[in-house]
Amino acid sequence: SQQGEEDPQALSIQEGENATMNCSYKTSINNLQWYRQNSGRGLVHLILIRSNEREKHSGRLRVTLDTSKKSSSLLITASRAADTASYFCATDPSSTLGRLYFGRGTQLTVWP
Amino acid sequence: GAGVSQSPSNKVTEKGKDVELRCDPISGHTALYWYRQSLGQGLEFLIYFQGNSAPDKSGLPSDRFSAERTGGSVSTLTIQRTQQEDSAVYLCAVGGLSSGELFFGEGSRLTVL
Repeated sequence: SQQGEEDPQALSIQEGENATMNCSYKTSINNLQWYRQNSGRGLVHLILIRSNEREKHSGRLRVTLDTSKKSSSLLITASRAADTASYFCATDPSSTLGRLYFGRGTQLTVWP
Repeated sequence: GAGVSQSPSNKVTEKGKDVELRCDPISGHTALYWYRQSLGQGLEFLIYFQGNSAPDKSGLPSDRFSAERTGGSVSTLTIQRTQQEDSAVYLCAVGGLSSGELFFGEGSRLTVL
């Protein structure tokens, strides 16, 4: 499968703590993206990192990409209760026209 | 979200009935995707449109599933003779080529009794 696989499946932390989620994939990629999904809603794009980039920041989000290990991590710093959601990584393989392959997601719960 | 409207938001149907799910994106997005998300699962790719044509329909699970797109805009996903295993949230998304990111609708939740 070309899908990204997130780890852990579930993560529970206190407000103010950092949350780290990992994603592994199997094939070469153009880019890797992270999405957020609140319960019962659609997915919202968070950040995109290209295959020639190693790290990217957006507000409290930090994404790293290691193409040699075929892995990525998403760090949310100083988490808030409102960050509670499912987080998905999605890979854009070099061989396809924009189709993204999604993992099963990490369910993040941030307790106030 | 981001100008992708899906309808109905919720649909309950009886096994064996046909259903139509609609995706109405804002104009300007040539690429349109349908994904399916079963309870607690990731997203399963169904079909991709470039304009009105579907170069990749490899994810359609059976010949009961079909989709079309007209005017490079509205898309309809049709499921014939629905089965209980078709119960899921069907998500439509646009974008994906020049920008790389997808903009998703809120989804249509289908329940087959």
